[in-house]
Amino acid sequence: GAVVSQHPSRVICKSGTSVKIECRSLDFQATTMFWYRQFPKQSLMLMATSNEGSKATYEQGVEKDKFLINHASLTLSTLTVTSAHPEDSSFYICSARDTGGYNSPLHFGNGTRLTVT
Amino acid sequence: DAKTTQPTSMDCAEGRAANLPCNHSTISGNEYVYWYRQIHSQGPQYIIHGLKNNETNEMASLIITEDRKSSTLILPHATLRDTAVYYCIVARSGSQGNLIFGKGTKLSVKP
Repeated sequence: GAVVSQHPSRVICKSGTSVKIECRSLDFQATTMFWYRQFPKQSLMLMATSNEGSKATYEQGVEKDKFLINHASLTLSTLTVTSAHPEDSSFYICSARDTGGYNSPLHFGNGTRLTVT
Repeated sequence: DAKTTQPTSMDCAEGRAANLPCNHSTISGNEYVYWYRQIHSQGPQYIIHGLKNNETNEMASLIITEDRKSSTLILPHATLRDTAVYYCIVARSGSQGNLIFGKGTKLSVKP
């Protein structure tokens, strides 16, 4: 089945630094990838939609200058949390759908636990 | 996308079938029912999806009522590893759209 790989699985950084999270589709191509965020005891919330070769679209309330998204190829999207602060500590999850697969479901990475100290 | 309603939590004995209900009374004709689960500290895992016919795969069965206003996910022989939050989501298929997650059902499988 389709596999979405996310790296790193967990990262601890100091306040004010930037962190990059990678999301790869291993055995399929994805023109669109989605980035979600999940705070403790809450459900997943969509942050942004990553589009290959064009600008990402962000959900209301998500700062595009803080959460930089780059989707440079059909198998890789990156999320960079710039000038991270403790309130950015969360579980970040990417997802992708096989663009070439008819009726294919959305598959998710295993998430990145970000802790900002 | 249509909204879904699921019980907050359920318990199931190990080895027994787990039946997880979901109401989606406002589902549209072109919307599918998707089921995902999330084991603690992991990303959501796709389980199954269907439009109007019942579906079965190696993980579970999906039973959709004839009026499509509700569905049931069946795990035939629950194991302790099936303990997770199960999400029922209604969305159009074949599009580039994302999925909107509700609160899901916390299934606890007990020995």
